[in-house]
Amino acid sequence: QVQLVQSGAEVKKPGASVKVSCKASGYNFANSGINWVRQAPGQGLKWMGWISVFTGNTRYAQKVQGRVTMTTDTSTSTAYMEVRSLRFDDTAVYYCARDGALDVWGQGTTVTVSS
Amino acid sequence: EIVMTQTPLSLPVTPGEPASISCRSSQSLLESHDGNTYLDWYLQKPGQSPQLLIHTASYRASGVPDRFSGSGSGADFTLKISRVEAEDVGVYYCLQRIDFPYTFGQGTKLEIK
Repeated sequence: QVQLVQSGAEVKKPGASVKVSCKASGYNFANSGINWVRQAPGQGLKWMGWISVFTGNTRYAQKVQGRVTMTTDTSTSTAYMEVRSLRFDDTAVYYCARDGALDVWGQGTTVTVSS
Repeated sequence: EIVMTQTPLSLPVTPGEPASISCRSSQSLLESHDGNTYLDWYLQKPGQSPQLLIHTASYRASGVPDRFSGSGSGADFTLKISRVEAEDVGVYYCLQRIDFPYTFGQGTKLEIK
């Protein structure tokens, strides 16, 4: 079946980097796009960015522009999101979601930034 | 950036009764090139990932019960649940994806009375 499976929880110190993976299966990953959405504790959903797997084009939310890089590896059908210079307010659950109407979501990856 | 405003933010409902959530955007979500309106509705049940309910304003996603319906056009949209069931509790979000950055509404928390 169509699914996205994300990497496990991470605990990082302020200033460090984290790279979350999202492995797709059950559909043509190479002709799709992936969105990344995050949710801080007790808060709503915030769109972080998008990548076209076919072209590699990306678009990022202004709040994370310059600290986030989204990439894909078509050989393993995996999307990645790296966040650098982590801050306390980057603590959140990070979701990947298939592009189009965000009809398939990963299970979420909890990233905790703590000193 | 397109601003999405949902009302109400909290919605207590008696099982079997209808429920309605409004979502307004700061500009039209109608794409003139293809005629589609890029407004979706999602439900995030407690402890789960969000799930797509309605896409392009009024099309139910696969497997979504027909008690859920989406309507509206331009910048004014509504999600309706004809008869609320206990399993419908959670937070409902609207999302615009006509333009980057995509933006979500603040969320509406539906609870059972």
